[in-house]
Amino acid sequence: AQTVTQSQPEMSVQEAETVTLSCTYDTSESDYYLFWYKQPPSRQMILVIRQEAYKQQNATENRFSVNFQKAAKSFSLKISDSQLGDAAMYFCAYNQGGKLIFGQGTELSVKP
Amino acid sequence: DAGVIQSPRHEVTEMGQEVTLRCKPISGHNSLFWYRQTMMRGLELLIYFNNNVPIDDSGMPEDRFSAKMPNASFSTLKIQPSEPRDSAVYFCASSLRRKDNEQFFGPGTRLTVL
Repeated sequence: AQTVTQSQPEMSVQEAETVTLSCTYDTSESDYYLFWYKQPPSRQMILVIRQEAYKQQNATENRFSVNFQKAAKSFSLKISDSQLGDAAMYFCAYNQGGKLIFGQGTELSVKP
Repeated sequence: DAGVIQSPRHEVTEMGQEVTLRCKPISGHNSLFWYRQTMMRGLELLIYFNNNVPIDDSGMPEDRFSAKMPNASFSTLKIQPSEPRDSAVYFCASSLRRKDNEQFFGPGTRLTVL
């Protein structure tokens, strides 16, 4: 069965600094998608970034980028120039065959 | 587009009562998902539909839970009878069934069973 592990329950970053959130997953498939979702206190789930397993180039969306290491089954999220609005729970998710499997989440706090 | 709509946003009920959660997916989306979020278990997929047909209900915790999708624009998740351990936030999400399968989430329903 596919599993997703986020080993950092909590992380903290100073405003304007860079932080990296870790995610590992387990799968025997070769074609799949990975996602990072953000859940602020409003509890709305917001897609931050996605990565297709077949693409070697790491995905980037403005201040958000990923470090995708397929062989290591690692999918970390880097947030550059952190802002107060980045404070939220972040979930890594694996998608294959139409189902999303989520990690346990990392709660990110941003210090002014 | 209004996004995925869920109702009610909050529900407080007593143990043993029937609870019905409602979801309207994004127009044109053909896949619909129900998730449950708790502190202990995180985000769990309960059931999902493709073209109104249930595809995988292996996440439904027990027979007290049932879900229906009578048409492409409406789905319900029913709990009968409800128990305190059902207290959670329930999310509905929808997507176009395509390779990347990006799912768009509703605002969730916070259920409290006393």
